[in-house]
Amino acid sequence: AQKITQTQPGMFVQEKEAVTLDCTYDTSDQSYGLFWYKQPSSGEMIFLIYQGSYDEQNATEGRYSLNFQKARKSANLVISASQLGDSAMYFCAMRDNYGQNFVFGPGTRLSVLP
Amino acid sequence: DTGVSQDPRHKITKRGQNVTFRCDPISEHNRLYWYRQTLGQGPEFLTYFQNEAQLEKSRLLSDRFSAERPKGSFSTLEIQRTEQGDSAMYLCASESGNTIYFGEGSWLTVV
Repeated sequence: AQKITQTQPGMFVQEKEAVTLDCTYDTSDQSYGLFWYKQPSSGEMIFLIYQGSYDEQNATEGRYSLNFQKARKSANLVISASQLGDSAMYFCAMRDNYGQNFVFGPGTRLSVLP
Repeated sequence: DTGVSQDPRHKITKRGQNVTFRCDPISEHNRLYWYRQTLGQGPEFLTYFQNEAQLEKSRLLSDRFSAERPKGSFSTLEIQRTEQGDSAMYLCASESGNTIYFGEGSWLTVV
């Protein structure tokens, strides 16, 4: 069974600084996808970034990058130049390429300080 | 607005009553998902549709829960005889390529 672990219940970062949110996963599948979503207090889950298990390059989307270490089964999210609007819950998720549903981690609450 | 929309956004109901949530996915997205999220937890998968066919159901979906997608477009999630443990946010999502896009969720409070 697939499992996502996010060991940081809460994180603080100073505005304009970079922050890394940890995510480790467990799967016996060889082909899978890893995702990060942001959930502000309004409740909507906002897609941020995707990494395929066979992608050789780490994914980047604007200020977001994914530090993918396959051997360690980790997929950490790096947010550069934090902004006050980045304060939210962040969820790591995975999906194998044969199944249909996504498995989410428990989330990390990020607070950006002015 | 071309995103996933859900209605109602908030619902307070008495225990034992039935409630129904509606989801309108992004047009032309064939796959539609329902998830449930409780406070402090990540979303948990409930069920999934490919067009009008319900292809997978989680064990979380008890007999009191039923979901439909009659014409392969919008979907409804009905909870019968609600219990306090049903209080949660119910998220709908539709899929394009490898990524699912979520609506803003429907908050249910059972009192």
